[in-house]
Amino acid sequence: SQQGEEDPQALSIQEGENATMNCSYKTSINNLQWYRQNSGRGLVHLILIRSNEREKHSGRLRVTLDTSKKSSSLLITASRAADTASYFCAGLSGGFKTIFGAGTRLFVKA
Amino acid sequence: DTEVTQTPKHLVMGMTNKKSLKCEQHMGHRAMYWYKQKAKKPPELMFVYSYEKLSINESVPSRFSPECPNSSLLNLHLHALQPEDSALYLCASSQSLVATNEKLFFGSGTQLSVL
Repeated sequence: SQQGEEDPQALSIQEGENATMNCSYKTSINNLQWYRQNSGRGLVHLILIRSNEREKHSGRLRVTLDTSKKSSSLLITASRAADTASYFCAGLSGGFKTIFGAGTRLFVKA
Repeated sequence: DTEVTQTPKHLVMGMTNKKSLKCEQHMGHRAMYWYKQKAKKPPELMFVYSYEKLSINESVPSRFSPECPNSSLLNLHLHALQPEDSALYLCASSQSLVATNEKLFFGSGTQLSVL
C-alpha cells in the first residue's frame, strides 16, 4: 500500500520555471520525506520535514507540510534541465516502514 | 563513505535459475531494506532487517529469500522466479529503526529480467 498520493503524475516545464509537486497521505506520520530518482537509478534523499514543522528550505527546495490536511508540497525554484527526474514523497508507516507515494515525473526542457 | 553498493547492476535469469543479489554499506547503519520497483511505479517494501535480524517481511513470496550475514551485508537469494518478478531491486540502509528522523540511503539497484 502506498503512504502518499502525488499530483501531478507528470509535469513538464521550461528551464527557469518553478515546479510544484503535491503529496497527500492517509495515516499519521512522524515525518515526511522527499526523494529524487533519476531514471533507472537509486533514490536520493532530498529533505525531511517533521510533523511539528510547517515549512523547510534547502537550497532551491521548499517543502511545506499541513498535518490537518495530511498533505505536503515540494517546490523547486528556478528549475534546471538536471532537475529532470521522478520525485517521491515518503512517510513512516507502522513505525518502521518507509512507504513511498506514487511519484511525480518532472521533465525540465532546456 | 555514504555509499550503498549493489551488485550486479544487471541480471538476466531463467525461471529455473538460482541467483543472489548483494548489497553492502560501510556507514555503520544497523537497518537494511530491500525494495522492489516496477517501471514508472514507486518502490515497494519487501524486507527490513534490524541488527541483522529480520524485522519486517511484507508477505513476500518464498522464492525471495533474504539474508543478512553481518551488519554491512544484505543478500537477496532468488529461486524459481516468474517473469512478473522482473523489476529494479533496490537496497537501502538507515542508521536504525528508531525512526523519527531517519533517512534512507539507497544503492543504484539491480535491474533484474526473468525470462
